[in-house]
Amino acid sequence: EADIYQTPRYLVIGTGKKITLECSQTMGHDKMYWYQQDPGMELHLIHYSYGVNSTEKGDLSSESTVSRIRTEHFPLTLESARPSHTSQYLCASSLTSGSSYNSPLHFGNGTRLTVT
Amino acid sequence: RKEVEQDPGPFNVPEGATVAFNCTYSNSASQSFFWYRQDCRKEPKLLMSVYSSGNEDGRFTAQLNRASQYISLLIRDSKLSDSATYLCVVTAAGNKLTFGGGTRVLVKP
Repeated sequence: EADIYQTPRYLVIGTGKKITLECSQTMGHDKMYWYQQDPGMELHLIHYSYGVNSTEKGDLSSESTVSRIRTEHFPLTLESARPSHTSQYLCASSLTSGSSYNSPLHFGNGTRLTVT
Repeated sequence: RKEVEQDPGPFNVPEGATVAFNCTYSNSASQSFFWYRQDCRKEPKLLMSVYSSGNEDGRFTAQLNRASQYISLLIRDSKLSDSATYLCVVTAAGNKLTFGGGTRVLVKP
């Protein structure tokens, strides 16, 4: 079973608030990812990191920011939440393989964010 | 055209029947392939990796067809609990990882 944790599980917050979604993994994985997913819709990659001090934007433009100061920790921050940010946010991690085989992603159980 | 495409379904499957569906990918340099299962409002969970020679895990069989650039998933003796969305994941050089949009399967009594 994967050891990747997200907090909070659910969050309801008012417009304009600053929020940080936490994601931690204890597997020593070097790669970490944030996905956004609306109900019944596709996963969209919003941020990823291939190691400490490395962060990149994903395929979907997002007003959020991320940091990777420690291998195990990859928090996502919204400086000013808006109703359009209402969604599920999924964190994932994987391990770089030296071979051509890429290790699969392990997902956290998600944070369901509602901005009122 | 999307890099990874799946028939969104739903595939309505009688309990006990067999269902199969594909996932096509456009990047011929793709290296690793996976099937994930996602239940409603839950996170995706790894179902199985897909190996070049094909592989089986219980009632689930995955195949890779590099010539036609698709992977497939077959579920035998479908159970009600198999109802879910099945996501394919394709990774290419540089570890670029792409999800398909998912295929929804509904197993009915």
